[in-house]
Amino acid sequence: DSGVTQTPKHLITATGQRVTLRCSPRSGDLSVYWYQQSLDQGLQFLIQYYNGEERAKGNILERFSAQQFPDLHSELNLSSLELGDSALYFCASSPGTGLYEQYFGPGTRLTVT
Amino acid sequence: GQSLEQPSEVTAVEGAIVQINCTYQTSGFYGLSWYQQHDGGAPTFLSYNALDGLEETGRFSSFLSRSDSYGYLLLQELQMKDSASYFCAVRDRDDKIIFGKGTRLHILP
Repeated sequence: DSGVTQTPKHLITATGQRVTLRCSPRSGDLSVYWYQQSLDQGLQFLIQYYNGEERAKGNILERFSAQQFPDLHSELNLSSLELGDSALYFCASSPGTGLYEQYFGPGTRLTVT
Repeated sequence: GQSLEQPSEVTAVEGAIVQINCTYQTSGFYGLSWYQQHDGGAPTFLSYNALDGLEETGRFSSFLSRSDSYGYLLLQELQMKDSASYFCAVRDRDDKIIFGKGTRLHILP
């Protein structure tokens, strides 16, 4: 158990819909990262927040947005969903801003039908 | 473009040693990390190299050569539970994190 929690575990929704994925980082960690992992694909970095502020942006679609709240939990909002958005979405946290030692949550499996 | 290259699959025998290579081409470099992911599970951190040389953590070691834009993960005394996918990752000058596509390690008894 990494100490990072993600809800929900599974999500099934239809094309065009909007969903929100939630992540609680490990106690004391200030950075939250969001990743997308499609079938047979590596991890695609979406976005990082550090202590409430956006720190780095990866290949995140304009239909996707995220935020980190004062209690440091984070939400990833996915809208106008397409079939290709079906994937595992991981959240990770770390104490600082570097690449060193990120702790991953169990992931949310999103299925768009 | 930016990329990390690693072999898609590697097969080794239980008890043996295996090396998984990673070459990177990125704008800026702030260290190389390795992660392990079992099927259906989340990635778990294995090691991090910011400077050239070998870092050892138990049965796992990781090596970095910044001049060659190259690193590797060395797994010794392989166990069946080491069957998993292994990813290398780097952070570029824009703080973007780039992961390789992963190497699936098959271990034969």
